[in-house]
Amino acid sequence: AQTVTQSQPEMSVQEAETVTLSCTYDTSESDYYLFWYKQPPSRQMILVIRQEAYKQQNATENRFSVNFQKAAKSFSLKISDSQLGDAAMYFCAYTWETSGSRLTFGEGTQLTVNP
Amino acid sequence: EPEVTQTPSHQVTQMGQEVILRCVPISNHLYFYWYRQILGQKVEFLVSFYNNEISEKSEIFDDQFSVERPDGSNFTLKIRSTKLEDSAMYFCASSLQILAAQPQHFGDGTRLSIL
Repeated sequence: AQTVTQSQPEMSVQEAETVTLSCTYDTSESDYYLFWYKQPPSRQMILVIRQEAYKQQNATENRFSVNFQKAAKSFSLKISDSQLGDAAMYFCAYTWETSGSRLTFGEGTQLTVNP
Repeated sequence: EPEVTQTPSHQVTQMGQEVILRCVPISNHLYFYWYRQILGQKVEFLVSFYNNEISEKSEIFDDQFSVERPDGSNFTLKIRSTKLEDSAMYFCASSLQILAAQPQHFGDGTRLSIL
């Protein structure tokens, strides 16, 4: 079964500091994709970053980067220079090539940014 | 930036009643999805839809559920006879293609409360 696990229900970080959110997944697929989505209080889920499993290089989008460890099936999100607007629920999600693009989500991590 | 819009934002319905949740996907997107999130639980895939038919559905999507694209813009989820356990946040999403690499864009969600 394809599962995604986020073991940190809540995290907090000081403004301008760096925080890392953890995600692990379980799959027997070889061709898959991993995503981090952000859900602020406004509720809309926004794609933060995406990683293709076949790529060895970790994805980076401005202050957001991932640490993708394929052998360990780990996909953590690092937020550098945290800003107040980063406060949100963060979901790790996974899909695979033959899935019809259904996303499998983790439980979510609520991130608080302290001024 | 184009957005997926969902209406209503909150729907309160008596158990046993029919409810229709509405979504307007991004205009040039061809693939549409419904997910739900029961309070305190993971976001779960319900159904994907393309070319006026269901592409894939989960075990949650039983005969009580149906989806439709009644015109060129709306995408609806109907629950025929609601149960208490249908209370959840329902998210609509759309993507340009059904490739796993293609990101899905989510709406704000509709909070469905069954009394």
